[in-house]
Amino acid sequence: DAGITQSPRHKVTETGTPVTLRCHQTENHRYMYWYRQDPGHGLRLIHYSYGVKDTDKGEVSDGYSVSRSKTEDFLLTLESATSSQTSVYFCATTRTEILGASYEQYFGPGTRLTVT
Amino acid sequence: KNQVEQSPQSLIILEGKNCTLQCNYTVSPFSNLRWYKQDTGRGPVSLTIMTFSENTKSNGRYTATLDADTKQSSLHITASQLSDSASYICVVSVNSNSGYALNFGKGTSLLVTP
Repeated sequence: DAGITQSPRHKVTETGTPVTLRCHQTENHRYMYWYRQDPGHGLRLIHYSYGVKDTDKGEVSDGYSVSRSKTEDFLLTLESATSSQTSVYFCATTRTEILGASYEQYFGPGTRLTVT
Repeated sequence: KNQVEQSPQSLIILEGKNCTLQCNYTVSPFSNLRWYKQDTGRGPVSLTIMTFSENTKSNGRYTATLDADTKQSSLHITASQLSDSASYICVVSVNSNSGYALNFGKGTSLLVTP
């Protein structure tokens, strides 16, 4: 698992509340990613980071924001949680550049979020 | 839109038997293709990564093949074990100037029974 931890592992929250998920890595990987996984869908990218304070949007970024103030931490915030954001969230990291390289991507254990 | 299609959606086999999972893709321009194993309640773990020039790659009892001309890949599992029960995800990477370029299939759910 390349030293990736996610917290919390499980969370139940109410609609309209802000929620922050944390990803922590110990491998000093430059690139970090947040995905969501839902039944009937493949993993879908929410946001990614290519360095401290450098982030970009993925295909399902609406309603989410991210921050990366240190190499080892990547935070995902649901600004006002909705029931459609009930999902399993995975963090991932890669060591090197993302374009055209056969890089190894490592995933964290996931966070199961339920929005009621 | 780039697509990665996997088949079958689910599969049940007896312990000790072999099986083959399929992945067809339409993404372009192709960079590499990888197979992941995802155990229930865990994150995906990489099994193999293949570039355009590679036809076959093995990782223990797992063997992946790639035909870049027909845009097809397969994952063959030999002498299955109960621990092979998992979801297997095909991921295709494209070369893109826009940055992130991984395309995930929906996975094949494999159940190995005693």
